[in-house]
Amino acid sequence: DVKVTQSSRYLVKRTGEKVFLECVQDMDHENMFWYRQDPGLGLRLIYFSYDVKMKEKGDIPEGYSVSREKKERFSLILESASTNQTSMYLCASSFPGHRETQYFGPGTRLLVL
Amino acid sequence: AQTVTQSQPEMSVQEAETVTLSCTYDTSESDYYLFWYKQPPSRQMILVIRQEAYKQQNATENRFSVNFQKAAKSFSLKISDSQLGDAAMYFCAYRSPGESQGNLIFGKGTKLSVKP
Repeated sequence: DVKVTQSSRYLVKRTGEKVFLECVQDMDHENMFWYRQDPGLGLRLIYFSYDVKMKEKGDIPEGYSVSREKKERFSLILESASTNQTSMYLCASSFPGHRETQYFGPGTRLLVL
Repeated sequence: AQTVTQSQPEMSVQEAETVTLSCTYDTSESDYYLFWYKQPPSRQMILVIRQEAYKQQNATENRFSVNFQKAAKSFSLKISDSQLGDAAMYFCAYRSPGESQGNLIFGKGTKLSVKP
């Protein structure tokens, strides 16, 4: 079975803190994704990566950055957390190609105070 | 740009009954992929069913089936013999064939409750 894990299920941070959300997959997937999930808005793509050290902006990249130093790990970074970044963050991975299924992690619920 | 619309924020069904969740999408492309994902409470999102636009036959997976109407740009999910474990958020998603990296466009979701 594909396994996508995220470092924390729940996280509480203060405004202005630097926040790291980690995602690890064990299926040797080339593609990895970070989504933000908010009630009534569905899932919105923040960033994705199709290879090590490669990254592409999604629909809502502002206020976020990413890092992919190893194939299995994709990190989402909030350089200076703000209250409007309180949300559920979902990581996903897949093989390349539009027929491929995306596999999701359990999510990290982030609260910024 | 493609959009995906789920017009039912919440739905409810009696256990063992059948329920249909609606999804419409807007695209100018002729070839694409459509997905239904399920997100149970506090659990991981999983793929329920997938449909290739070039296939006329509706996809089925056990109790889950779709009604794919390409001309109407409609992709509804039917759950037969509903079970308590079907209670979840359901997301409809679209993928363009040009999106070689596999980016998905999601609808806003439908919360399904199952009454015992």
